[in-house]
Amino acid sequence: GAGVSQSPSNKVTEKGKDVELRCDPISGHTALYWYRQSLGQGLEFLIYFQGNSAPDKSGLPSDRFSAERTGGSVSTLTIQRTQQEDSAVYLCASSPGQYRGYTFGSGTRLTVV
Amino acid sequence: RKEVEQDPGPFNVPEGATVAFNCTYSNSASQSFFWYRQDCRKEPKLLMSVYSSGNEDGRFTAQLNRASQYISLLIRDSKLSDSATYLCVVKRDAGNMLTFGGGTRLMVKP
Repeated sequence: GAGVSQSPSNKVTEKGKDVELRCDPISGHTALYWYRQSLGQGLEFLIYFQGNSAPDKSGLPSDRFSAERTGGSVSTLTIQRTQQEDSAVYLCASSPGQYRGYTFGSGTRLTVV
Repeated sequence: RKEVEQDPGPFNVPEGATVAFNCTYSNSASQSFFWYRQDCRKEPKLLMSVYSSGNEDGRFTAQLNRASQYISLLIRDSKLSDSATYLCVVKRDAGNMLTFGGGTRLMVKP
């Protein structure tokens, strides 16, 4: 597509439920990244994919968080047993390769109540 | 110490003013540098890359000092539409992950 697409744009979930966030990167972009941004805070790195593999998972905050990417394209970020501190905007970005800037999607605003 | 540090501001300036933001990074192996702009409740967008020799894009000038591990962004003739948060971004040589500073908020007033 023309840009990075994320869905849903907003998600309200009850504490303890699982959620799945989707990212559809720009066609042909081999690298895909997940970040999250809490209200008034900077961007926190979660995970990076090169193709379908994830060389760097160092940012995932706990084992409740997992992500996968299939076909070198769409990625899903899953949060199990959501907690209130998971509330944030989850941003996905893609890049055509190294030494290039990212293009971000508009994010999924997750609210855990 | 954070890997990328910025003064959070806010910087309040009148239209037409020149304003400069600074950023320091701690990892000397960092290879690529960028400035991103983030409007309120929007995603970050690439403003410009930062090259070793310094570079200019219209009213925006970026500088890099590798010896001091310091990056700057200069905005001349500020416009109301320049009001945003400016994020300093650094890429390490290993992997392709970008590390974002906390951002500097700019407010341009009439």
